[in-house]
Amino acid sequence: GAGVSQSPSNKVTEKGKDVELRCDPISGHTALYWYRQSLGQGLEFLIYFQGNSAPDKSGLPSDRFSAERTGGSVSTLTIQRTQQEDSAVYLCASSLAHASQYGFGYTFGSGTRLTVV
Amino acid sequence: AQSVTQLGSHVSVSEGALVLLRCNYSSSVPPYLFWYVQYPNQGLQLLLKYTTGATLVKGINGFEAEFKKSETSFHLTKPSAHMSDAAEYFCAVSDHNFGNEKLTFGTGTRLTIIP
Repeated sequence: GAGVSQSPSNKVTEKGKDVELRCDPISGHTALYWYRQSLGQGLEFLIYFQGNSAPDKSGLPSDRFSAERTGGSVSTLTIQRTQQEDSAVYLCASSLAHASQYGFGYTFGSGTRLTVV
Repeated sequence: AQSVTQLGSHVSVSEGALVLLRCNYSSSVPPYLFWYVQYPNQGLQLLLKYTTGATLVKGINGFEAEFKKSETSFHLTKPSAHMSDAAEYFCAVSDHNFGNEKLTFGTGTRLTIIP
C-alpha cells in the first residue's frame, strides 16, 4: 500500500482481556518495527522483524506481549491479560532492509491508541 | 548503547521567530541521526537525517540541523516559525551496527507557536 496502515485506530478494552493490534507495512519493506508511545515517555522500542523473523524482541515488556509476522507482510501485536499500564499508543513502522545500517529511516503508521479500563 | 537527550519538553516561540530544538546523543560509533515530527493523532514523519558527508542537513518545511561531533549534538532549527510548525518533535539515533536495527528516540519536544 501507499503507507503503513494500522488497525484499529482506537481500542478500549477491559482489564484482563486480550487485544490484537494489526500493522500492514508498505509493500516491499522487509523490516517492521513496533514502538510504544506513552505520555511523556517518548517512543519505547518493542520488537523488530526482518522478514518473518524477529532478531530483536528485547523491548517486549513482559511475556504478556507477543508479536508475529506472516508472509513478510502483516504483523500482529498481541497483549494478553491487559493491564492499565498497557494503555498507550502503539506505533508500527516499516523500512527497507537494514534501515539503520544505511540510514533509510522509517515510515510510521498513525498508531493504535489502546485504553485499558 | 546509544541514547538521546532532548532538552526542553516544551518550547514556545512567536510566529516568525527562530525555532531551536536541542538534541544531544550518546553513541559508541559515529551515529546516524534523525529528526521526526508528529502532528496530533498522526504517526511520525521524517523531517531530516544525517548519515555521512555534509554536517548541515536540510529537511522538509524549511528545517535544518547540524551534526556537531565535538558537542555530540544535532540541534534542529528553522529561521522563521509558522503556525503550522506546532507539533511534537523527536530526535533519534542509530548506531547502525549490522543486526542492530532499532532507532533510539528522545522523549520529544512539544513546539507551540504563539501568534
